[in-house]
Order: sequence, then C-alpha cells, then structure tokens
Amino acid sequence: EAGVTQFPSHSVIEKGQTVTLRCDPISGHDNLYWYRRVMGKEIKFLLHFVKESKQDESGMPNNRFLAERTGGTYSTLKVQPAELEDSGVYFCASSQDFWGGRGFSFGQGTRLTVV
Amino acid sequence: AQSVTQLGSHVSVSEGALVLLRCNYSSSVPPYLFWYVQYPNQGLQLLLKYTTGATLVKGINGFEAEFKKSETSFHLTKPSAHMSDAAEYFCAVIQPRNKLTFGTGTQLKVEL
Repeated sequence: EAGVTQFPSHSVIEKGQTVTLRCDPISGHDNLYWYRRVMGKEIKFLLHFVKESKQDESGMPNNRFLAERTGGTYSTLKVQPAELEDSGVYFCASSQDFWGGRGFSFGQGTRLTVV
Repeated sequence: AQSVTQLGSHVSVSEGALVLLRCNYSSSVPPYLFWYVQYPNQGLQLLLKYTTGATLVKGINGFEAEFKKSETSFHLTKPSAHMSDAAEYFCAVIQPRNKLTFGTGTQLKVEL
C-alpha cells in the first residue's frame, strides 16, 4: 500500500508569491488532514476533510490559506500571498476512521521557506 | 480541552542504555494516545498507539508505552538504545470531536 505522498518536498519562494502544496492520501482514506510545524514549535492542526467536505478548518491561520479536495481524492493547500511567518513544515495525514483509532498516516512533509 | 506536555526537548542517552521519553496529557474524556517518530529527512511514522484495552502498548523497533490514567501519562520507553533510534519523537492525543494535538517533540540523541 502506497503511503501518503506530498509534493514538493521543499519549496523556497519570495514573500508575496503563491505556493501550492499537494497531498495524495492513502487510497480509500476518506479523512485527510493538514498540519504545520513552525520551527521550534509544536505540530499544529490546520484542517480536516471528510471526502471532499471541510469538516473542521478551525486551525487555518488566515484567509491567505486555501485548501481544496476536489473529488475527495488528493488535496491542495495554497498560500497566497506568502508571508515570512508561513515558513515551516507542512504535513498531510490521512486515516480510515474519523478519530484515528487505527492511526493517522503522515506524509514526509513539505518544507516551505519564504524569503 | 486537550493538551500534551513533553518534558525535555532534548534527551541524550548512551548506546545500550534505557530510553525514557516523558509525555503527560490533559483530556476531559478518555483519549486516544500516540507516539510518532520523525527520522531525519523523513515523515512522521507511527510508533505505537493506545485506544482501549491493555494499558501497556508495544510498538515498532522495541519501543513500548504505558497508559497511566491516574498520572495522566503515556511515557515511551525502550530497554536498550541503538544509534538508529536517534530521531525526534512526538507524543499526541485525540479525544472525540476534537483534533490530534501534538507535544512540542523530544529530540533523542544516542551516543557511543
């Protein structure tokens, strides 16, 4: 079984530019999550999709962040325009069940650097 | 509300020594508890999890953790550290109708 895949693994962009991160969850996992770790701090929840619907987006920092999951398969997270404080590692995770009782599978993360 | 506290952002042990990484949580209802590991340049990998049942949980690579409700703890242990265990370890908790909440992580260094 292929794991959660994220693209790109690294991205360096200038302040004000746009970046789109992609996550391909494990096939059949309806639940998809985005998390972010700003350097030196804890990994924080951004949002949760159930299929193509946003179940919880309470962790999204502001309206510069837009997440989509068209068709309930892969998801994208767009940051527009990027700011310096958006730098960090963005993780995607997927799970079979809503509360992750079987565990959440994480991708390798996208390291975003805004300069 | 739920939260996780990991004591010690950096832990150093000698190869062959006991590994003990501490995790305390707060939760208003019985939670699910997880330990994840991140090796350099890799993603988060599930080490072990507690949902219900036996409070001593065994995971991969010889790690285990014990859920102690009275102490609200879920400490991670391994009897004998190996150089390959050097990584960052994250404790996490989830309770119903909530989201997975992580601790700040503990960087484990294994020395010869």
